[in-house]
Amino acid sequence: TAGITQAPTSQILAAGRSMTLRCTQDMRHNAMYWYRQDLGLGLRLIHYSNTAGTTGKGEVPDGYSVSRANTDDFPLTLASAVPSQTSVYFCASSEGQGYTGELFFGEGSRLTVL
Amino acid sequence: GQNIDQPTEMTATEGAIVQINCTYQTSGFNGLFWYQQHAGEAPTFLSYNVLDGLEEKGRFSSFLSRSKGYSYLLLKELQMKDSASYLCAGFDSNYQLIWGAGTKLIIKP
Repeated sequence: TAGITQAPTSQILAAGRSMTLRCTQDMRHNAMYWYRQDLGLGLRLIHYSNTAGTTGKGEVPDGYSVSRANTDDFPLTLASAVPSQTSVYFCASSEGQGYTGELFFGEGSRLTVL
Repeated sequence: GQNIDQPTEMTATEGAIVQINCTYQTSGFNGLFWYQQHAGEAPTFLSYNVLDGLEEKGRFSSFLSRSKGYSYLLLKELQMKDSASYLCAGFDSNYQLIWGAGTKLIIKP
């Protein structure tokens, strides 16, 4: 069972360039989330989607955008990357619309912005 | 506001028991999660407590006291593979999940 697939696993990006991190789930979960994880800090929510066609802003949305055209895919786009966006990005999903239970995480995408 | 506090690092011996504490301050409460995260890997779900008391799942147990804003994760019969970070997460008043920075648990032989 694939669960949640993220791509790329790792990327080095020049500042000012754009980048899309891909996230696909095969569990037919309603809710999906993008988090960033930085050393010494807890996971921080960037954007979320409670169901296909809807998105919402999390704790740290600036510089990021998302779309949810269908149930399975939830890409995260950095329009113009900055070094402070260097982080590990995790996509996650949950079955209900919102936090109704266990979150399932992808393996993460490590992004370095130079 | 919402604050999730847990120790940064703990060390324990293989075969022993360790308790990882988590305290939270929140104007709303909708449950508390514990996740395990091995280095370089994704977090994986351990437990979700909504009611006060202890919930046991094999070697791992999780306790919640809503009145005290306190939870702990108890790991028994520690194994080397339990070396990981343990993340505590709770809800804020907007029903968004807020995560602690994690407790890195080091198991020594």
